[in-house]
Amino acid sequence: KAGVTQTPRYLIKTRGQQVTLSCSPISGHRSVSWYQQTPGQGLQFLFEYFSETQRNKGNFPGRFSGRQFSNSRSEMNVSTLELGDSALYLCASSFQPGQGAGYKAEAFFGQGTRLTVV
Amino acid sequence: GDSVTQMEGPVTLSEEAFLTINCTYTATGYPSLFWYVQYPGEGLQLLLKATKADDKGSNKGFEATYRKETTSFHLEKGSVQVSDSAVYFCALSSPPRGGGGNKLTFGTGTQLKVEL
Repeated sequence: KAGVTQTPRYLIKTRGQQVTLSCSPISGHRSVSWYQQTPGQGLQFLFEYFSETQRNKGNFPGRFSGRQFSNSRSEMNVSTLELGDSALYLCASSFQPGQGAGYKAEAFFGQGTRLTVV
Repeated sequence: GDSVTQMEGPVTLSEEAFLTINCTYTATGYPSLFWYVQYPGEGLQLLLKATKADDKGSNKGFEATYRKETTSFHLEKGSVQVSDSAVYFCALSSPPRGGGGNKLTFGTGTQLKVEL
């Protein structure tokens, strides 16, 4: 079974540009979450999508957005990049065992996209 | 809101030493608790989990017990190996207020280095 695939693995962008990151979840997983990892702030939750709907959102500015497609693949977009957006962006997928039981499910992480803003 | 506190690293041990990484949490209700491990250049992998009080999660010689009374989920291993060198994250996921939801709240991570 293929794991979670994130593309690209590395990106270098200039301040003010925008960027789109892609995540393909494990087959059969309909929940996809995104996390930002930085040395200073650690791992922070960005948002979660389930069946093309955003269910949860973290405390990030509106420049950070995402979407999910009917095949569960997800993209996140960051507009007007700032130096502080440099981070490892991790995508995780999980199987939802039943209504309201998603919090018990294991999240499977991709290798991440390393974004550097210069 | 939810939060996780874990011991600061880095932790340096000799091979075959006993490992404890402390983790305490704050959450409403009864969260699920997880330990994830991150090897250099990689994403996170689930090491073990526990979904209710007094549950013990175990995997690859690592263990952690969900202690509701002390709000703790300490990670232990009796004999560490060089290959255990990695960053370990304690995390929780709380029952959603609305429908569904799968948000993880992580601790700051503890870097473990095991030397021969």
